[in-house]
Amino acid sequence: EVQLVESGGGLIHPGGSLRLSCAASGFSVSVSYMNWVRQAPGKGLEWVSVIYSAGTTYYADFVQGRFTISRDNSKNTVYLEMNALRAEDAAMYYCARDTMFDLWGRGTLVTVSS
Amino acid sequence: QSALTQPASVSGSPGQSITISCTGTSSDLGAYIYVSWHQQHPGKAPKLVIFDVSKRPSGVSNRFSGSKSGNTASLTISGLQAEDEADYYCSSYRGTNVWVFGGGTKLTVL
Repeated sequence: EVQLVESGGGLIHPGGSLRLSCAASGFSVSVSYMNWVRQAPGKGLEWVSVIYSAGTTYYADFVQGRFTISRDNSKNTVYLEMNALRAEDAAMYYCARDTMFDLWGRGTLVTVSS
Repeated sequence: QSALTQPASVSGSPGQSITISCTGTSSDLGAYIYVSWHQQHPGKAPKLVIFDVSKRPSGVSNRFSGSKSGNTASLTISGLQAEDEADYYCSSYRGTNVWVFGGGTKLTVL
C-alpha cells in the first residue's frame, strides 16, 4: 500500500528541538519530491519545506534557518529537524509527496508551550 | 510569503454546482500550471482532488473540475452531495522552489 506515516511530534518548550519522521511505503522517497506542510489549530495549510530527488532542499521564509529537511533512502524516510521552536510553530505537521501534493500522511502534532 | 486568496466560505444545496476561487499574482498562480486543489474533512488529512490546474487524480469523482484564467484558479463541484462538505485549499508553485497554499474555503452543503 502506498502511504506516508509521520511520527515524532509532541510537547516541547519554546526554544527546544524536535525531529519529525515521515516513513514512506509503496514508493521510493529517493525519486520523489517530498514536502512538509503544517496546519496550526483551526488554521489553513502552510508549506514548510521540500527535498527534491536530487537532494536539494528549500524552505519557507518563516523557517529562517531553524529547520532542516533530510532523508534516509535506506529507511525510505524523510525527516524535519526543528530547532529554536516558537509558540507559532505549534501545528499538525504533514508530509506530502510531489509538487502536486498527491499523497498525504495523517500528520503528527507539535505543541510548543512552557 | 502571503497566501493565495480564497473566500472563507461557500454554500450550496444538494444537486447544485458551486465554484471556489483562488487568486494569486502573475508571479505565482498566473505564471505556472502547478495549481492543485485539496479537500480536507474535519480531523482528516488533506486529499488531492485536482492537479495541474484541471487534471483529476484516479478515483476522484468527475463532479470535480478545475480551471484557471489569468491570476485566478477555480474549483467547480457539480451535483453537490452531502459528502462534499469540507474545507478546500488551493496551492500553487510560486517560483524559486517555493510553494504556497490558499487560506482555505469552508464548503457547506445546505
